[in-house]
Amino acid sequence: NAGVTQTPKFQVLKTGQSMTLQCAQDMNHEYMSWYRQDPGMGLRLIHYSVGAGITDQGEVPNGYNVSRSTTEDFPLRLLSAAPSQTSVYFCASSYRAAGNTIYFGEGSWLTVV
Amino acid sequence: EDKVVQSPLSLVVHEGDTVTLNCSYEVTNFRSLLWYKQEKKAPTFLFMLTSSGIEKKSGRLSSILDKKELFSILNITATQTGDSAVYLCAVLDSNYQLIWGAGTKLIIKP
Repeated sequence: NAGVTQTPKFQVLKTGQSMTLQCAQDMNHEYMSWYRQDPGMGLRLIHYSVGAGITDQGEVPNGYNVSRSTTEDFPLRLLSAAPSQTSVYFCASSYRAAGNTIYFGEGSWLTVV
Repeated sequence: EDKVVQSPLSLVVHEGDTVTLNCSYEVTNFRSLLWYKQEKKAPTFLFMLTSSGIEKKSGRLSSILDKKELFSILNITATQTGDSAVYLCAVLDSNYQLIWGAGTKLIIKP
């Protein structure tokens, strides 16, 4: 049981480049989300999805797109990377009604130069 | 605006000491409060608190919620170097969204 798998773990991008962070879970969770974590700011919700075909914006959605074509996958796209998007990104999944069983991926460290 | 505030932001103690970490919240539609421990990677779940005054305990860690005063504390007794981590508090609202505090960075010196 792989849980939540995020790739890549590390990435350096140039300003203006685009890229996709991949997230997959094998637990049949309906709820998936993307967070970014910056020093001193905790985790901030970027986008989330309550099921296949349904996505919604979180607290800091600008500059990011998501899609949820299957239950398993929830990729996060950076459309035109900016230095302000340098951060650690976490994908998470859970059964919607149970915050105590939220599973996190191992994180993706992204640097935009 | 909903918010979760943790204090202190950082704390340095010696092995064997007892520490208390604080989490206060202003969340319109509170459902539960959760504590996580984060070492170098992803947060790992510690406790979920829903009712006031009922202590949750796991080994040397314990936590309690006060829904009247809108705060929770996380206690760690007889600290060890392995307790060094960032401790995150989050509130789950009625829409099942988690609102996160900034965390308390705890350093345990041998």
